[in-house]
Amino acid sequence: NAGVTQTPKFQVLKTGQSMTLQCAQDMNHNSMYWYRQDPGMGLRLIYYSASEGTTDKGEVPNGYNVSRLNKREFSLRLESAAPSQTSVYFCASKRQGASTDTQYFGPGTRLTVL
Amino acid sequence: AQTVTQSQPEMSVQEAETVTLSCTYDTSESDYYLFWYKQPPSRQMILVIRQEAYKQQNATENRFSVNFQKAAKSFSLKISDSQLGDAAMYFCAYRSAVSIGRDQFYFGTGTSLTVIP
Repeated sequence: NAGVTQTPKFQVLKTGQSMTLQCAQDMNHNSMYWYRQDPGMGLRLIYYSASEGTTDKGEVPNGYNVSRLNKREFSLRLESAAPSQTSVYFCASKRQGASTDTQYFGPGTRLTVL
Repeated sequence: AQTVTQSQPEMSVQEAETVTLSCTYDTSESDYYLFWYKQPPSRQMILVIRQEAYKQQNATENRFSVNFQKAAKSFSLKISDSQLGDAAMYFCAYRSAVSIGRDQFYFGTGTSLTVIP
């Protein structure tokens, strides 16, 4: 049981480059999330997807796009990376509507933008 | 939006001793859920304990327990008999019980716990 997987684990980009962070879950969850974690800031929601084909902006969506192509996968794309996007990115999933359920997190991607 | 505050950026505890991590939150809702997550150096986020706001009884999970004060909007985590493996960043999180709209969790900024042998 893999849970939530993320690729890559580490990435270094130059300013202006683009890349896509991949996330997949095998728990048949409807809800999926992308967070960024910065020192002293906790986890901040970038985008949220309630189901396949639907996405919703979170607190810090600028500079990012997402795609929920199917129930399992939820990708995060940086079209033109900036140093301010240096962060650790977490993907998470959860059963929709299950009130006391926790989110299940992936192992994170450490991204550095030079 | 709801806010979650963890006022202790860093804490330390002697092995086998007890430590309490504080968390306060701001909400106008009456029904919600609170969580504590542990993030060890591996970066994996692990659920430690959860509490339903409508339950007066404080949640416990082995050595971990909470002190939930709804009127004060306080949700502290007590770790008893601290072990070296408890060293990690701990995050407090809030989730509304209202199921419409975005199913969002709000996280505090974290408390880094050091366990001293």
